[in-house]
Amino acid sequence: QSVLTQPPSASGTPGQRVTISCSGSSSNIGSNYVYWYQQLPGTAPKLLIYSNNQRPSGVPDRFSGSKSGTSASLAISGLRSEDEADYYCAAWDDNLSGPVFGGGTKLTVL
Amino acid sequence: QVQLVQSGVEVKKPGASVKVSCKASGYTFTSYYIHWVRQAPGQGLEWMGKINPSGGGTGYAQKFQGRVTITRDTSTSTVYMELSSLRSEDTAVYYCGRGGHSYYETPHHWGQGTLVTVSS
Repeated sequence: QSVLTQPPSASGTPGQRVTISCSGSSSNIGSNYVYWYQQLPGTAPKLLIYSNNQRPSGVPDRFSGSKSGTSASLAISGLRSEDEADYYCAAWDDNLSGPVFGGGTKLTVL
Repeated sequence: QVQLVQSGVEVKKPGASVKVSCKASGYTFTSYYIHWVRQAPGQGLEWMGKINPSGGGTGYAQKFQGRVTITRDTSTSTVYMELSSLRSEDTAVYYCGRGGHSYYETPHHWGQGTLVTVSS
């Protein structure tokens, strides 16, 4: 049972825009930054978004993040086949004094 | 560039301990926290604990308190995670991750992962 709640799956066709939601509480998303990771099969997570809506260098601007209250979302525009992966949200949790993660959303490009 | 290189696959029997290493390079080792996160087969990410490489201070998730120990060797820029009293449910890929500039950041950079299999 993950602390942050994500839908288990999402899908879209090439070129479409998809969004993935992430819900938390006042001790994590409500008071700290949100992060998003992409994990391709058999590989380590890769940071996609940090500090709610910032992209590390090299991450395409097709990926964007937003936060409102105790929820956040990741949007992927111009969907491509290589975007097919698992996506995780994360945030620092003040009660845990460490990061908490969502259960992950498997994105399928139809 | 930031690199975290972890030690190789481990196979352990129930009740044993495992020690996984994470060698850092490409940045000032003592300036960023290192976290340990694990992922059981087909499951999500689970935070285990962290260490401040500068002073060696640690913090652990309550679930792992008493079973996990995170240490560091500043002379080799290496962090270690030892998990004891292993059981089958500890079978997972274990990742080290480097935090960001702020204490309250989740990992920005990740090691390649170390598969630990616990089986009799």
